[in-house]
Amino acid sequence: GNSVTQMEGPVTLSEEAFLTINCTYTATGYPSLFWYVQYPGEGLQLLLKATKADDKGSNKGFEATYRKETTSFHLEKGSVQVSDSAVYFCALSGGGADGLTFGKGTHLIIQP
Amino acid sequence: GAGVSQSPRYKVAKRGQDVALRCDPISGHVSLFWYQQALGQGPEFLTYFQNEAQLDKSGLPSDRFFAERPEGSVSTLKIQRTQQEDSAVYLCASSLGAFFRDGSYNEQFFGPGTRLTVL
Repeated sequence: GNSVTQMEGPVTLSEEAFLTINCTYTATGYPSLFWYVQYPGEGLQLLLKATKADDKGSNKGFEATYRKETTSFHLEKGSVQVSDSAVYFCALSGGGADGLTFGKGTHLIIQP
Repeated sequence: GAGVSQSPRYKVAKRGQDVALRCDPISGHVSLFWYQQALGQGPEFLTYFQNEAQLDKSGLPSDRFFAERPEGSVSTLKIQRTQQEDSAVYLCASSLGAFFRDGSYNEQFFGPGTRLTVL
C-alpha cells in the first residue's frame, strides 16, 4: 500500500534560517504529491502541489520538487519567519487508493 | 458558506454512547472524504463519497463506524458504542470533481474538524 515518511519533529530554527523538511513516499504508478500546513487553531490548508515527475510546486516562498528517482518531495524555504511556525504534512494522492495518504507531520517552530 | 464546515467542533462522550458528527461540504462539490487524526499523527482515510454513493469505506476501523450522505451534500459520521480509542479529531474534506485512484489532481478542501474525546 501507499505510505509517506517525513522527518520527525519538532524542528526548531531561528528566523531567517534555511528550512528543509524531508519527505519520501511509496506508491504504485504516478501519484500526485502535496504539502499541507496546519497553523495553530486552524484547519489543514494546501501549501503546494506537484502532479508529475520533476514538477516544482511553490507557494509563499516554499518549494518542493517531485523526484521520482528518489521517491522524494522535500519541502524547502530559503528564509523562514516566525509566522511559518505550524505543523507541515506531506501527502500523496493515487497509487490505487481513495483519499489522501499523509505522513505523521512535522512541527516547525521558528524563534525570533 | 465559503468553506467546509463541521459540527460540533468539540464533543465529549462517555464510553458506550453513540455520537453523530456532521459535515457541510462546499456547495456543488461532488466528492466528500472523512479522515481520522489521532493526536500527533497525520490524518488517516476513513471513507469516500461521490455524490450520495459511498464508493469506499475500507478505512472505517470497525462496524461501529457508519457514514452517510443521503442527498449528496451534507454527510454524517456516526460512531456507535464509543470506545476510548475512538478519541481523535475527525476531519471532513470535499473536492469539486470525482476522485480518481491514478493520482489525478483534484484539490481537497478541509473543514476545521471535530475533536472527539471519549471518557
